[in-house]
Amino acid sequence: DAKTTQPPSMDCAEGRAANLPCNHSTISGNEYVYWYRQIHSQGPQYIIHGLKNNETNEMASLIITEDRKSSTLILPHATLRDTAVYYCIVRVVGSSNTGKLIFGQGTTLQVKP
Amino acid sequence: EAGVAQSPRYKIIEKRQSVAFWCNPISGHATLYWYQQILGQGPKLLIQFQNNGVVDDSQLPKDRFSAERLKGVDSTLKIQPAKLEDSAVYLCASSLPRGLGGELFFGEGSRLTVL
Repeated sequence: DAKTTQPPSMDCAEGRAANLPCNHSTISGNEYVYWYRQIHSQGPQYIIHGLKNNETNEMASLIITEDRKSSTLILPHATLRDTAVYYCIVRVVGSSNTGKLIFGQGTTLQVKP
Repeated sequence: EAGVAQSPRYKIIEKRQSVAFWCNPISGHATLYWYQQILGQGPKLLIQFQNNGVVDDSQLPKDRFSAERLKGVDSTLKIQPAKLEDSAVYLCASSLPRGLGGELFFGEGSRLTVL
């Protein structure tokens, strides 16, 4: 079972920042937070992942709370092409026991003009 | 860089018939996954290969589903006989070896409709 909770849907105005929340209150010390998104009729696409520090790449920023029980994915300037289902996943990462990527229901983000 | 290739993109069959899906992962990716995505749900892992060995097939309905990865490269997923509830998109993904915790790269999927 997925170990994260996300709102089923969100709207965002084009050009504005999209802030997608995720709760993972039972996260373990060796579990990372991953974000993927799935645009209609395509396979999921990796966005970003982190352990406890905030992370930023060319696609998004990931803010993880100090207690690691929740996180927020930030798309700084949402475009219509960012309309997709966003999945927050916790996953063990280790040299010998990297865990499965288990998807939940995700958040459907609708970016509106 | 070429992505994960899957075929066919679409397949319609009648229940009790058989079907096979093919996946060619990204070159050099030792780990290969098959996921099933039913409409409105997130993808569900069916089987994971490391090279040509099975790492996890706990969610694979083995009475009707089978998968193989000959020579540690291409993979096929077969369903025989198909049921109505097998209607779904079958996604193949690949990644570098599991220890690196790297991202999974997904193909566009094969959409199966069972009538």
